[in-house]
Amino acid sequence: QKEVEQDPGPLSVPEGAIVSLNCTYSNSAFQYFMWYRQYSRKGPELLMYTYSSGNKEDGRFTAQVDKSSKYISLFIRDSQPSDSATYLCAMSDPSSASKIIFGSGTRLSIRP
Amino acid sequence: SAVISQKPSRDICQRGTSLTIQCQVDSQVTMMFWYRQQPGQSLTLIATANQGSEATYESGFVIDKFPISRPNLTFSTLTVSNMSPEDSSIYLCSGGLAGVQETQYFGPGTRLLVL
Repeated sequence: QKEVEQDPGPLSVPEGAIVSLNCTYSNSAFQYFMWYRQYSRKGPELLMYTYSSGNKEDGRFTAQVDKSSKYISLFIRDSQPSDSATYLCAMSDPSSASKIIFGSGTRLSIRP
Repeated sequence: SAVISQKPSRDICQRGTSLTIQCQVDSQVTMMFWYRQQPGQSLTLIATANQGSEATYESGFVIDKFPISRPNLTFSTLTVSNMSPEDSSIYLCSGGLAGVQETQYFGPGTRLLVL
């Protein structure tokens, strides 16, 4: 079993839709949860991070963590064609010296 | 945020040869990492590059195949040795501050094709 599971998609939605991206994990030691966005032929860029259960909002993006279920989500409101990218969830534990475990990524396409 | 550059951006190599990838960060990061990203797959950590000492390799990766150097805080190299077509992948370096996961920034990657 992988430490982090993520549906690879692809996911295609119309512009303006709400997008929900999800990951599950198995390691209860994970305390830091991140979402990266990766455009084609680019390196990943950090989008959101959180240290605790609950919601964190940043503009059109909301990151949600449920540690009891070992489940994290990223919601994108009012999706735009520029949001088309691969989204990778990532997580780490405090003892890992910054080592991050990534999900496999979900390819998202926003149709104009 | 740190700006991380890599070169070459891409290369096509013959089986049995070696390629060295360079990574430069523009600020004083404490941690540097090398990842591999195979087509359609996630990032897999190869090793942590340690300044002035041997890199710390993850399970499945060995120094003879992926020698890494980090002569100073802001520069590191990864060599892919004795390449085979299975080494075709994107290789990414990242840098950040120890214990501060949200500061880990990635370079644009090096696309390697081995024939």
